[in-house]
Amino acid sequence: DADVTQTPRNRITKTGKRIMLECSQTKGHDRMYWYRQDPGLGLRLIYYSFDVKDINKGEISDGYSVSRQAQAKFSLSLESAIPNQTALYFCATSDVGDGQETQYFGPGTRLLVL
Amino acid sequence: RKEVEQDPGPFNVPEGATVAFNCTYSNSASQSFFWYRQDCRKEPKLLMSVYSSGNEDGRFTAQLNRASQYISLLIRDSKLSDSATYLCVVNPDPGNTPLVFGKGTRLSVIA
Repeated sequence: DADVTQTPRNRITKTGKRIMLECSQTKGHDRMYWYRQDPGLGLRLIYYSFDVKDINKGEISDGYSVSRQAQAKFSLSLESAIPNQTALYFCATSDVGDGQETQYFGPGTRLLVL
Repeated sequence: RKEVEQDPGPFNVPEGATVAFNCTYSNSASQSFFWYRQDCRKEPKLLMSVYSSGNEDGRFTAQLNRASQYISLLIRDSKLSDSATYLCVVNPDPGNTPLVFGKGTRLSVIA
């Protein structure tokens, strides 16, 4: 079984709709992240959470919100989807040991906003 | 200046060739460094950490030059399966800030 799962894997929605992307992990990590990836722009950080009560904005948080329901779950919401939010979205978790942090990514959610 | 900069490529090399990628970072206080690999339409995965003394893992060698603020990845005897995008990753302040990802360098190994 995958350690980091994302649902749905693919989603098509219309402009103005509210949608939620879910992420779950079984690794027991405190830290979780949401990124989007666009061709030529690389990975961009949307939000991150270092523990259940911690939420931080990333590089491109406008138009997005998150909820950290439990250590294992971190969901990303688009309150009113727009076409330029069409992208590949990745969730990741990480642990920190001996000053080294390794991130583990989910398989990604492909989102198309029409 | 971008925090982490990489040549986007693509690097097109024949099988068996040696290829090297460089990456520069802007924050001189950065503490830890990594290379991740991302296959087409897949998630990034850790390839190797980069240590001050340099480190090797099979055909892959990573080096760090703190004075010049760059990191390198050398791939020897390239295989078709090495075709991927290689992401340079820097952690400015381990434990306190998120990792910073470069945009990646695309490698295509050709038969």
